[in-house]
Amino acid sequence: KAGVTQTPRYLIKTRGQQVTLSCSPISGHRSVSWYQQTPGQGLQFLFEYFSETQRNKGNFPGRFSGRQFSNSRSEMNVSTLELGDSALYLCASSFKGQAPGDIQYFGAGTRLSVL
Amino acid sequence: QQPVQSPQAVILREGEDAVINCSSSKALYSVHWYRQKHGEAPVFLMILLKGGEQKGHDKISASFNEKKQQSSLYLTASQLSYSGTYFCGVKRGDDKIIFGKGTRLHILP
Repeated sequence: KAGVTQTPRYLIKTRGQQVTLSCSPISGHRSVSWYQQTPGQGLQFLFEYFSETQRNKGNFPGRFSGRQFSNSRSEMNVSTLELGDSALYLCASSFKGQAPGDIQYFGAGTRLSVL
Repeated sequence: QQPVQSPQAVILREGEDAVINCSSSKALYSVHWYRQKHGEAPVFLMILLKGGEQKGHDKISASFNEKKQQSSLYLTASQLSYSGTYFCGVKRGDDKIIFGKGTRLHILP
């Protein structure tokens, strides 16, 4: 069974540009969550999608957005990039997401560098 | 609000034991432990549900004290492969998983 796949693995952008990251969850998983990881801050929750609907949102500005398609694949978009957006963006999928015992599985991430 | 992990970093010699703690200020329904090696995805270790249970996986075990809203991860007779950053994630009800800042563990031969 294939794991969570994130593309691309690496991205270099300049300030002001926008970027789209992609995540394909494990087959059968309907919940996809996105996290931003920076040194010293751990994993900061961005948002969670389930059945094409955003179910939870973290404390990030509106420049960060996402969506989920009918096949559960998800994309994350960051507009008007800032230097502080440089980070590893991780996607995690789970079966349903809401049950306490639901386990999340992570992809390898997309490393975004903003110059 | 992020759970607080302690210690922030620890260095051990192979064969020594380690304990990593995770504390939350709010009631928890479940605690999720992950290990991440440099440049790799976080890997799921174990999940503890409300009920104060203790779980084990090889020489890694964990406990969950729901009254104190704390969880501890125990690594016994550590191996070189245990090196990495350990994250605890907490879930409250139907909410999202919020992760701590991580504990860096380095095992020396």
